[in-house]
Amino acid sequence: AQKITQTQPGMFVQEKEAVTLDCTYDTSDQSYGLFWYKQPSSGEMIFLIYQGSYDEQNATEGRYSLNFQKARKSANLVISASQLGDSAMYFCAILGVYDYKLSFGAGTTVTVRA
Amino acid sequence: KAGVTQTPRYLIKTRGQQVTLSCSPISGHRSVSWYQQTPGQGLQFLFEYFSETQRNKGNFPGRFSGRQFSNSRSEMNVSTLELGDSALYLCASSLESAGGSYNEQFFGPGTRLTVL
Repeated sequence: AQKITQTQPGMFVQEKEAVTLDCTYDTSDQSYGLFWYKQPSSGEMIFLIYQGSYDEQNATEGRYSLNFQKARKSANLVISASQLGDSAMYFCAILGVYDYKLSFGAGTTVTVRA
Repeated sequence: KAGVTQTPRYLIKTRGQQVTLSCSPISGHRSVSWYQQTPGQGLQFLFEYFSETQRNKGNFPGRFSGRQFSNSRSEMNVSTLELGDSALYLCASSLESAGGSYNEQFFGPGTRLTVL
């Protein structure tokens, strides 16, 4: 079984600043994938970034980067140069190879201030 | 390429009724998963289908069922609705390679179900 822990219920960030969202995970699988999704108030889940457990390089996608520390079982999301449109709920999730399902954390609400 | 589509987007039902939600995956995607999202329980996995076979099921009562068709479209059904079934139901699809590598799951806009 997999478990995701997101300890920050809410965060405020100033526009143009960077913000780091914490995510720790627990799994007994050797091979797994880690995902970050953004959910605006409209409800749709938007895929942001993916990190495979065997990937040696940290994943990056535009302003999003993933700080993957496998030994510590953490996969923190860094959003650089925050924009007002980044205000949303952010979910960290893990996918096990034999589970065929995503296990999500409780999410972190990010509010970007002008 | 069109994204994942879900119909209907909004639904209001009364207790005891049943409901069917539909999900059309991204073209070429063969895996479809369903999730329930509520303020109290967060995002919970319902079931996953691949090539018309259910490969995994979450911890939900038998009132929740689903199926997948040969064109990969999927439906989920909830019978004898309860107030607690009010939620956002999200469908996700992924392109699964033969090797079972980890492919991104792309979500649809969701169906917001309200049970009165």
